[in-house]
Amino acid sequence: EAGVAQSPRYKIIEKRQSVAFWCNPISGHATLYWYQQILGQGPKLLIQFQNNGVVDDSQLPKDRFSAERLKGVDSTLKIQPAKLEDSAVYLCASSPWAGIERENIQYFGAGTRLSVL
Amino acid sequence: SQKIEQNSEALNIQEGKTATLTCNYTNYSPAYLQWYRQDPGRGPVFLLLIRENEKEKRKERLKVTFDTTLKQSLFHITASQPADSATYLCALDIPGTYKYIFGTGTRLKVLA
Repeated sequence: EAGVAQSPRYKIIEKRQSVAFWCNPISGHATLYWYQQILGQGPKLLIQFQNNGVVDDSQLPKDRFSAERLKGVDSTLKIQPAKLEDSAVYLCASSPWAGIERENIQYFGAGTRLSVL
Repeated sequence: SQKIEQNSEALNIQEGKTATLTCNYTNYSPAYLQWYRQDPGRGPVFLLLIRENEKEKRKERLKVTFDTTLKQSLFHITASQPADSATYLCALDIPGTYKYIFGTGTRLKVLA
């Protein structure tokens, strides 16, 4: 079974520039998550999709971050404009959970390491 | 809001010994608690899940305990090996939602 694919693996940009990350979840997984992981911290949920609808985006800085999940499969996360504090690893995860079972085991991609200079 | 505390300092142990990692929380007791392993440059990998009505869960050399009175989960690796060196994260579900909140993780180093 193929895992969660993310690209690019690394990105270096200057502040105020734009950047986009791509995620392809495990086939058949209904739920997709984007997390931000700052060095030395645990993953922090930014947005959660159920199929192609948003379940939770309460911690997404909507003035600069946006995300979409096309046709309930792939997803992109965009930052525009980037700030220095956005430097982090952006992790995508998927789960077969379909809104019923709360056990919700998540499968993570390798992440995209973003450096904002 | 829920706060999760994991040892921020690295834990160094000798190969063959049992590693014990701690996850403490301060507020409500979760219905589910998960443990993940994260290697440098990789995403977290799910290891074990324990429910609030379970005291203990085992998988091969791994054991998780869950004490809702102490508001604590312990994660044990018996007969530890250098390959077990990684950061271990605990994650707690948030009641009324389908979200999990992650701790900061504890870095384990098993010395040969």
